[in-house]
Amino acid sequence: EAQVTQNPRYLITVTGKKLTVTCSQNMNHEYMSWYRQDPGLGLRQIYYSMNVEVTDKGDVPEGYKVSRKEKRNFPLILESPSPNQTSLYFCATSLRPADTQYFGPGTRLTVL
Amino acid sequence: QKEVEQDPGPLSVPEGAIVSLNCTYSNSAFQYFMWYRQYSRKGPELLMYTYSSGNKEDGRFTAQVDKSSKYISLFIRDSQPSDSATYLCAMSLDGGSQGNLIFGKGTKLSVKP
Repeated sequence: EAQVTQNPRYLITVTGKKLTVTCSQNMNHEYMSWYRQDPGLGLRQIYYSMNVEVTDKGDVPEGYKVSRKEKRNFPLILESPSPNQTSLYFCATSLRPADTQYFGPGTRLTVL
Repeated sequence: QKEVEQDPGPLSVPEGAIVSLNCTYSNSAFQYFMWYRQYSRKGPELLMYTYSSGNKEDGRFTAQVDKSSKYISLFIRDSQPSDSATYLCAMSLDGGSQGNLIFGKGTKLSVKP
């Protein structure tokens, strides 16, 4: 079964405590991306990756890092989380950047 | 002017109603148009995918693209409570390697029994 998994699904943390949200896909897709979704602002792309070791900034990259060491995994790293990063995060994958996106189930992050 | 505009709603209709959801866009070069459906606490999932102008029908759902007006619509016939979700439009230049998908902010739909 084609799947995009994210962990954790829910996370409450405190300002400044480094965290990683993992994303894994089994569809052999080259393109992966991270979005955050906020009320009134919709989906905004944080970072994307065209392939292994190839990553680039999206629309709202400040405060985030990513890595793509393997094709299937694309973790999102918050080195020093702040309250304005409280949001719902989605990982998405596709064959090509503007192709059909397959979204993960989401990670709800709260930074106190 | 934002690239893609979508009325956020919320839109509340009785069961059985015909629902019309719309997006306008500013970039006339967009050629591929999608509608995603997002249930509460879930990720968006693709509902309809159309290329260029015209209509596409899938069961109770019809996607319509009017490139001359830069306007796309999603119609839902005989709406059901299970259609209650947020609907996001998305569009791209070539459906492939050029640029990314541009999403609307989503319209929240509630279908009351």
